[in-house]
Amino acid sequence: GAGVSQTPSNKVTEKGKYVELRCDPISGHTALYWYRQSLGQGPEFLIYFQGTGAADDSGLPNDRFFAVRPEGSVSTLKIQRTERGDSAVYLCASSSNPREETQYFGPGTRLLVL
Amino acid sequence: AQTVTQSQPEMSVQEAETVTLSCTYDTSESDYYLFWYKQPPSRQMILVIRQEAYKQQNATENRFSVNFQKAAKSFSLKISDSQLGDAAMYFCAYTIGTASKLTFGTGTRLQVTL
Repeated sequence: GAGVSQTPSNKVTEKGKYVELRCDPISGHTALYWYRQSLGQGPEFLIYFQGTGAADDSGLPNDRFFAVRPEGSVSTLKIQRTERGDSAVYLCASSSNPREETQYFGPGTRLLVL
Repeated sequence: AQTVTQSQPEMSVQEAETVTLSCTYDTSESDYYLFWYKQPPSRQMILVIRQEAYKQQNATENRFSVNFQKAAKSFSLKISDSQLGDAAMYFCAYTIGTASKLTFGTGTRLQVTL
């Protein structure tokens, strides 16, 4: 079936603006993860959903970041009052169930804050 | 802190030759999983190979194999018969148990030359 999809592919915004990044996991996958990848670095964990609830949000850097997954499939990462330091690639991954250790990634959204 | 170290920022290999990418990790947990992901310029993380820490046998996947040294906390990736399509960033990562965040290293850029 289809893999993880993310929209938009690229997003340019101005400092202080609000942005939403969307992730469509593989159909039937109950676990969903968000990561942030800064230039020249490996991805860093932001938040993990099991179903509709956030099971681990310990990676969210501050209260400007939050994410939702209201129906247990699509997830939206929301960033308020964007800062230049938020510029990065935001990656989403999903896995089939809590006992599945392998995560499958989407192509990411490249966010540029001017 | 739990960390992953990839000490080779860049590696180069000739087509058809063999190359080994190094990775060490640091965790006090006993139940964990290790991964190598490939990230081409398209940004999408692609799973190359995975290893369960409780398994002594090294994982293999076609031209890709690992050398897992649990006591040394070492997890290197060997690519045999290198192909031009193998050129990418390679990230080593692990999860603690299942349904858990991935912790990534900083990556190794692999170049494949004719």
